[in-house]
Amino acid sequence: ETGVTQSPTHLIKTRGQQVTLRCSSQSGHNTVSWYQQALGQGPQFIFQYYREEENGRGNFPPRFSGLQFPNYSSELNVNALELDDSALYLCASSTNRGGNTIYFGEGSWLTVV
Amino acid sequence: AQSVAQPEDQVNVAEGNPLTVKCTYSVSGNPYLFWYVQYPNRGLQFLLKYITGDNLVKGSYGFEAEFNKSQTSFHLKKPSALVSDSALYFCAVRDNNFNKFYFGSGTKLNVKP
Repeated sequence: ETGVTQSPTHLIKTRGQQVTLRCSSQSGHNTVSWYQQALGQGPQFIFQYYREEENGRGNFPPRFSGLQFPNYSSELNVNALELDDSALYLCASSTNRGGNTIYFGEGSWLTVV
Repeated sequence: AQSVAQPEDQVNVAEGNPLTVKCTYSVSGNPYLFWYVQYPNRGLQFLLKYITGDNLVKGSYGFEAEFNKSQTSFHLKKPSALVSDSALYFCAVRDNNFNKFYFGSGTKLNVKP
C-alpha cells in the first residue's frame, strides 16, 4: 500500500463527455503528478501540481486539466472525451525534494465508447 | 531529453534461475533511475532507485540493479526467480528539474515453475 488513493476505479463514458478523476496523496507528500497508461504501453506524463499550481506538463492537449487542493489532493479533468482517451490514469504523489520517489495509486480505468 | 529503452518485450526464466531485465538510458546531466513493477490491473509499485553512490542498488523483494555509466545501462537482476515475480517491469528516468518521469515500454517477466 502506497497511501495514494484514486477514485473511481472504473468508469465508462461516451465520446464528447467530460470526466473527473480524483486522487488523495500520501501523507506528507505535497506534489501530485498524473500519468496516462494506454494498453500495452508505459505511463506517459500528463502534468504535475505543486502548491496548488501546475508546474510541469507533458504533451497533452488543453482539454486535459487539473487541480490541486490545500490538502494536496488532486483532480484530473478531461473534456470532450475521445476514443483514444481510453486508458489507465495513474496518480502519483511525492515530496518535492531532488531524487525523490513517486508513489502510485491503483489507477482509474477509463473506457470511452 | 531524457529517455529509457527496454529492448526486450518479454523475458522468460525458470523458477530458481537468475533473472535480468535490461534497461538503457539517455540523459543530460546526472541520471536518476528507477524500477517499478506492475501486476495485472494494478498500479505501479516502486522497487528501487539509483541516485548516486554504489553502482549496485538493492531494493524490494530481493531485486537489485546495477548502474553502469559507461554502458548507460541500469539492468534489474534477481539471483533466484520466483513464480510470483511474474509481472510487468518498467524502467524510468526522472527529469532533473522536476518530478516528470520517463518510462520505458515495459518488459513482461514470465517465471515458469
